[in-house]
Amino acid sequence: AQTVTQSQPEMSVQEAETVTLSCTYDTSESDYYLFWYKQPPSRQMILVIRQEAYKQQNATENRFSVNFQKAAKSFSLKISDSQLGDAAMYFCAYRLGGSQGNLIFGKGTKLSVKP
Amino acid sequence: ETGVTQTPRHLVMGMTNKKSLKCEQHLGHNAMYWYKQSAKKPLELMFVYNFKEQTENNSVPSRFSPECPNSSHLFLHLHTLQPEDSALYLCASSQDTGYSGNTIYFGEGSWLTVV
Repeated sequence: AQTVTQSQPEMSVQEAETVTLSCTYDTSESDYYLFWYKQPPSRQMILVIRQEAYKQQNATENRFSVNFQKAAKSFSLKISDSQLGDAAMYFCAYRLGGSQGNLIFGKGTKLSVKP
Repeated sequence: ETGVTQTPRHLVMGMTNKKSLKCEQHLGHNAMYWYKQSAKKPLELMFVYNFKEQTENNSVPSRFSPECPNSSHLFLHLHTLQPEDSALYLCASSQDTGYSGNTIYFGEGSWLTVV
């Protein structure tokens, strides 16, 4: 069975600094997708970034980028120039390729941003 | 503003009550989902509907009964719940379930407290 592990229950970063959130996953499949979702106090899950497993190039979205290490089954999220609005729970998620893949989430990392 | 709206946002019900959670998506999607988010646990997929047909029931107790009258609306009917069912229930949608790379969009959730 596929699992997603986020080993950092809480992280803290100074405003304007850079922080990296860790995620590892376990799968024997080669076709899958990885996602980072953000859940602010409003509780809505918002997609931050996604990565296709078949792509070697790391995905980037403005201040957000990932370090995808397929062999190590690692998918970390780097947030550059952290802003107060980045404070939230961050969830790493895995989805098997094909028509029946469902999102499998990690337990989340709570990110605090200090002014 | 969210493309997936859920009502009510907060619900308190007794164990013998019958209530329903409602979800509506304005994104023209064909797949809709119910997730349960409990404290200290990863998000759990409950049900999946694709083109109004249920394609996944993740071993959910029968006291939770989903209904999908059309591709834009999804309900979760609640009956004789237990206190351990208290959680945040998140509705989500995606274009369909045929491609795992499709982004899943979430609503803000309905907080359920069973007393």
